[in-house]
Amino acid sequence: QVQLVQSGAEVKRPGASVKISCKASGYSFTNFYVHWVRQAPGQGLEWMGMINPAGGSTTNAQRLQGRVTMTRDTSASTVSMYLSNLGSDDTAVYYCARTPDYWGQGTLVTVSS
Amino acid sequence: QNVVTQEPSLSVSRGGTVTLTCGLRSGSVSTDSYPAWYRQTPGQPPRTLIYNTNIRSSGVPDRFSGSILGNRAALTITGAQADDDCDYYCVLYMGGGIWMFGGGTRLTVL
Repeated sequence: QVQLVQSGAEVKRPGASVKISCKASGYSFTNFYVHWVRQAPGQGLEWMGMINPAGGSTTNAQRLQGRVTMTRDTSASTVSMYLSNLGSDDTAVYYCARTPDYWGQGTLVTVSS
Repeated sequence: QNVVTQEPSLSVSRGGTVTLTCGLRSGSVSTDSYPAWYRQTPGQPPRTLIYNTNIRSSGVPDRFSGSILGNRAALTITGAQADDDCDYYCVLYMGGGIWMFGGGTRLTVL
């Protein structure tokens, strides 16, 4: 069955960077785009960007431009999302999601001094 | 203010029918927006209900249906059940590889 398993919770200081990984299984990794979505406490969903695992091309939300990077490792069926220069408003649960219909379990990132 | 608009809250009686909509602050939603719908209960990841306007995700009952109504995408729930009481989100393709979520609708089942 299709599964997306994300890395564990992170606590970071303001100004630091975080890397979250998402390991896919149960399907052909390069056949489906993977999106990253985050949800701040008590807030709605925010689309962050997506990656095409086949060629590695990405698109990102404009408001995160310059701070977010997405990569893929086809040998490990894993996509990763890096977010730099963290601020308190980056505290959120981060999800990976396979187009169009499977989601990871979420990764809580807490940014606190 | 969200570019993608949803009703902040709606209510429906148990067994009733409700339609949630998803629009654009300026412009119209069409099938080229590839609207998708998700529901979410507290502490859980979103669950995909509908994608590409009207395709039900695996395991989603047929009392959930998607459509375009006028210039908005719509999610219609028939025979509302107690566990439909949760948050619903739509997402639209904006072009250029960019997607945007609406602010979400809190659905209350009375």
